[in-house]
Parts: sequence; structure tokens; C-alpha cells
Amino acid sequence: AQTVTQSQPEMSVQEAETVTLSCTYDTSESDYYLFWYKQPPSRQMILVIRQEAYKQQNATENRFSVNFQKAAKSFSLKISDSQLGDAAMYFCAYYSGAGSYQLTFGKGTKLSVIP
Amino acid sequence: DTAVSQTPKYLVTQMGNDKSIKCEQNLGHDTMYWYKQDSKKFLKIMFSYNNKELIINETVPNRFSPKSPDKAHLNLHINSLELGDSAVYFCASSQLAGGPNEQFFGPGTRLTVL
Repeated sequence: AQTVTQSQPEMSVQEAETVTLSCTYDTSESDYYLFWYKQPPSRQMILVIRQEAYKQQNATENRFSVNFQKAAKSFSLKISDSQLGDAAMYFCAYYSGAGSYQLTFGKGTKLSVIP
Repeated sequence: DTAVSQTPKYLVTQMGNDKSIKCEQNLGHDTMYWYKQDSKKFLKIMFSYNNKELIINETVPNRFSPKSPDKAHLNLHINSLELGDSAVYFCASSQLAGGPNEQFFGPGTRLTVL
């Protein structure tokens, strides 16, 4: 079974600065997908960014980018120019391409943004 | 327009009661899910239905029974509620046909068992 590890239970960043959230995963598969979801205090789960394992290029969405290291099984999220609205729980998730049909989540990292 | 909706958003009930949570998606997706988020924020899959057929049934007590009357709806019925059932329950949907895609989540239902 796949596992997803987020080793930082809590992180903080100054407004306008850059922060990187770590995620590692364990799998024997070669075809899979990785996601970062954001959960603000409103409780809504929001997709931040997605990466297909077969793509070598790191995904980018505005101020959010990933550093995907397939051999190291690492998938970190970088948030640039942090804003107060970025404060939330961030979850890394794994999706198997072999038809398991489910997301396996890490335990989350709580990000605080300091004004 | 709400893509994935759940009712109710909050549910407070006594131990031993039976309750249901409803979920509807208007995205035309073929697959729906139930996740449980515990007090430590850990999210875990409970069930998944693809085209009204159960495809994931994780180890959950058989007091939990999902029902999918059609592709747009996936309800969760819980019998004989226990204190440990207190959690936030999320419904989600995605389109599996054509390759795995993003799962869209509902707003969650916070269940409190007293």
C-alpha cells in the first residue's frame, strides 16, 4: 500500500516571503498522480496543484510550484509571495494510476502566515 | 452553482441514533467518494462508487452504509451512532473515464455524537 508522509506538522512564513512544504511518498508503481490540496478554516478542500508522474516538468500554478523528484519520491510545494489567504492546512495526496480509485493523503501541514 | 453539495453541514445527535448525510454533484462525474476526517485532521477514504457500483469499501464498521440511487447522488447512512463517529465527513466526485482526474470535494458535514 502507498503511504504519504508530511514531516512538518506546522510551518510559518512571513507575508510576501517564500515557504516550502515537504512531502514524501512510498510506492512501487511507475504511473501515478500527486496532488496538493488546501483546507482553509472554512473546511473546504481546494486543489492547489497536480503533477503526473510521467511528466518530468514541475507543475506551476501562479505563486504555487512543485519540486517533483521521482527517484527520491519527493513532492514539495513552494509558495512564493505568501499572502494571508494562504494560511491553511495543506495536504499532499497520492493517486495510483493502476486503478485503486482513491486518494491517499498525508497527515497535513498547518501553514500560518505572519503579517 | 455548487459543484458538490452535502446536507446537512452540521449534525449533532445522541449516541445510538441513526442518521444520514446526503451528497449531490452536478458535474456529471461518474465516481463519488466518502472520506472521513478525524479530530487530528487525517483524511481517509471510506467508500467509492463508480456508475452506481461500489468499487471501494475500506475497513469501516458495517454500521456505515452508502447508497447511490444514481450517478449524481451518494448518501451515507450511519446506524447506532457512537462517540468515535464524531468527525467531519467529506463527499467528493471525479471523472474516472478517460484517466484519473481531480477530485472535487463538498463542504463537509461535521458530525458530533453526544
